[in-house]
Amino acid sequence: EDQVTQSPEALRLQEGESSSLNCSYTVSGLRGLFWYRQDPGKGPEFLFTLYSAGEEKEKERLKATLTKKESFLHITAPKPEDSATYLCAVQGGGSNYKLTFGKGTLLTVNP
Amino acid sequence: KAGVTQTPRYLIKTRGQQVTLSCSPISGHRSVSWYQQTPGQGLQFLFEYFSETQRNKGNFPGRFSGRQFSNSRSEMNVSTLELGDSALYLCASSLGLSRSDTQYFGPGTRLTVL
Repeated sequence: EDQVTQSPEALRLQEGESSSLNCSYTVSGLRGLFWYRQDPGKGPEFLFTLYSAGEEKEKERLKATLTKKESFLHITAPKPEDSATYLCAVQGGGSNYKLTFGKGTLLTVNP
Repeated sequence: KAGVTQTPRYLIKTRGQQVTLSCSPISGHRSVSWYQQTPGQGLQFLFEYFSETQRNKGNFPGRFSGRQFSNSRSEMNVSTLELGDSALYLCASSLGLSRSDTQYFGPGTRLTVL
């Protein structure tokens, strides 16, 4: 069964203080690893899809990387508006179309 | 392009009642997936529909059911509501042609069972 573990559960940063969020996964035949951002009371907002080890994607202050066992979401010089819960999900092989999600990392960026 | 829409946004029901939630996918998307989100369990997969057929089902009791219409809109039904069914119910749409297709989420329906 696919498994996703995210760490840390919560992270508090000062504005401009860069850091990384971790997503470790166990999956049979990775089809894709997805990063989402979720604000309180809203649905997850798509950020990135990574398909194979070594792949990297960037968007503004965010950069996602992928290895065979984990993915990192690097946040460079964060701003208060980057505060949110960041969710990692995997789509495994087999016949299932479901995403398996981690519990998320709650990021708070203080001004 | 309009995003995924869900109605209603909020619902309050009592134990034993039933509820129907609706989801309209992004235009052109033929797959709709439903997830339940709770603070303790996170996001858990309920089921996925593609071209009016249920392709996959998660580990939820038979009280949870769904269907998809010819225009790809989907409904989810929960019968005999229990207190533990209180959650944010999210639907996500995708092209559904490949398992690596990105799923885009709606704003969710917040269900409270009293």
